[in-house]
Parts: sequence; structure tokens; C-alpha cells
Amino acid sequence: DVKVTQSSRYLVKRTGEKVFLECVQDMDHENMFWYRQDPGLGLRLIYFSYDVKMKEKGDIPEGYSVSREKKERFSLILESASTNQTSMYLCASSLLTSGQYFGPGTRLLVL
Amino acid sequence: QQQVKQSPQSLIVQKGGISIINCAYENTAFDYFPWYQQFPGKGPALLIAIRPDVSEKKEGRFTISFNKSAKQFSLHIMDSQPGDSATYFCAASDRGNKLVFGAGTILRVKS
Repeated sequence: DVKVTQSSRYLVKRTGEKVFLECVQDMDHENMFWYRQDPGLGLRLIYFSYDVKMKEKGDIPEGYSVSREKKERFSLILESASTNQTSMYLCASSLLTSGQYFGPGTRLLVL
Repeated sequence: QQQVKQSPQSLIVQKGGISIINCAYENTAFDYFPWYQQFPGKGPALLIAIRPDVSEKKEGRFTISFNKSAKQFSLHIMDSQPGDSATYFCAASDRGNKLVFGAGTILRVKS
């Protein structure tokens, strides 16, 4: 079974803090993705990566950056957290032509 | 146009009934249409997917119907059970496996 793990299930941070969310997959998938999920808006793509050290902007990249130094690990960074970044963050991975497999999510609250 | 429109927003079905969720898309380059099921506190899980070369795909009680000319696809859950109560997301992607999600449907199956 594909396993995608996320470093934290719940996080509480202060406005202006730098926040790191980490995702690890164990199936040697090429693609990795970061989404945020908000009620009524579905899942929106923040950034994705097709390979190590490669990244591409998704639909809502503003305020976020990413890092992929190893194939199995994809990090999402909030450079200066703001209250409008309070959300559920979901990581996913996939092969080039398969469906995406999601982690359990990190619920982030920015105060 | 990248949008995928999903309806209804919520759905209540009696146990044993048929649940139907609909999605419509605009981008004719989309060639992969998955459905995801999400339980509270969990990440979305890939349920079933279809490519546009077939009009229907069935896996157990779950069926995707696909109408290429109308640019619509739907999920049918036969003999709906209380354990099917979850949020369902349709999605679509073109080459590159970057998914665009619908806003989600909250399904409640009453016993």
C-alpha cells in the first residue's frame, strides 16, 4: 500500500511565524503535490513537483514556497504565516500516469 | 477553463437507495477523471477513475458514467450504506497528472 505521511496532524502558529509542513511518501513516486482544503472550495493546488529539485506553481502559490531535496520528501513552507492561511493542508503523491494518493492532512491554525 | 463544477453540495439518501453525484467540465484536454472519498479527519482516498475512451466503469457498488459530448461525468453509488457517508470529490486532469477538483458533495446515508 502507498503510504503518504505528514509531519503533524495539528499545528497552532502565530501570525508572522515561519511554518514548515513536511510530507514523505514511501512508494518512489515521481510526482508530489501540496493542496489546501477549505469548506465549499474543495482542494486547491498550491505547488507540485515532478522531480527532485523541480517545482511548479499551482493555482494559489502566493505566500507559500516548497522544497524537494529528496524524491520521497516534499516540504511546504509558509514564510510568514497569516490568519488567512488557516486551513487543512494535504500532501499527495503519484506516479506519472496514476491517481494521486493523499496523506492524512495537517490542520493549521494561525492566530 | 480549468474549473470542474460539482453538484449537489449535499445529499441525503435512504439506506439501500442510489446516490448520484454529478460533475461538469470545460477543458476538452482533460483525459483522466477520478473520484475521491473523504471521511472526517482523513485525507481523500482514490475511489474509482475513468478515462474518456469508455462511457462507464463499475467497481462493486460504485459506477462512473461518462458523457464526453456533454462534458459531464457522474458517480452512482448503488445500495447506499451508512458507511458510505462521506464527502465525495470529482476531479479531472490532463497530461501531467495535475488534478482540478470539484467543490465536493457531502453524502449522508440514513439508516
